[in-house]
Amino acid sequence: GAGVSQSPSNKVTEKGKDVELRCDPISGHTALYWYRQSLGQGLEFLIYFQGNSAPDKSGLPSDRFSAERTGGSVSTLTIQRTQQEDSAVYLCASSLAGEAYEQYFGPGTRLTVT
Amino acid sequence: GQNIDQPTEMTATEGAIVQINCTYQTSGFNGLFWYQQHAGEAPTFLSYNVLDGLEEKGRFSSFLSRSKGYSYLLLKELQMKDSASYLCAVRGGSYIPTFGRGTSLIVHP
Repeated sequence: GAGVSQSPSNKVTEKGKDVELRCDPISGHTALYWYRQSLGQGLEFLIYFQGNSAPDKSGLPSDRFSAERTGGSVSTLTIQRTQQEDSAVYLCASSLAGEAYEQYFGPGTRLTVT
Repeated sequence: GQNIDQPTEMTATEGAIVQINCTYQTSGFNGLFWYQQHAGEAPTFLSYNVLDGLEEKGRFSSFLSRSKGYSYLLLKELQMKDSASYLCAVRGGSYIPTFGRGTSLIVHP
């Protein structure tokens, strides 16, 4: 079956521009997470969606970052007025609800801000 | 807050056994995960522990001691393809796993 997909796979943008990153989770997975990973760093949590509950935005680094999840499926992460420190790999993961279920990660979007 | 510590890098010989440690301090505990991440690829799930003890799955085993805030991943009969980063992740009081920085394992002939 299909895994988690993300698009684009690579994005190069100029400082100050807005970008949108897309995540298509596994069908039936109600939990969706966004992380980012910088070179040599661990996964930094950004935002978490679970079903129809209000998202947990506690990991968003600034108000330039926002995300939405439409119809409990596809999610879009938007970064406004990008900065060079936003350069990283943005990973999306989905899982079934419940603490025992593992996360399935997408291939990531490599964002480079020039 | 949550704090997860793992060694940055380890090296081992093909065919040998290696143990990768993870210590954590969290508010609440709802399970510990190990993931494998090859360079340039997404993390993939290896194991899950929520109760104390050893979980064995083929060449890989994972151990948990909740009282000590400690886990290890044991890899046996190492193969070259096991060269990767190994990530320890803990679900604390929320359902959001927090990841350590990962341990880069280099397997040489």
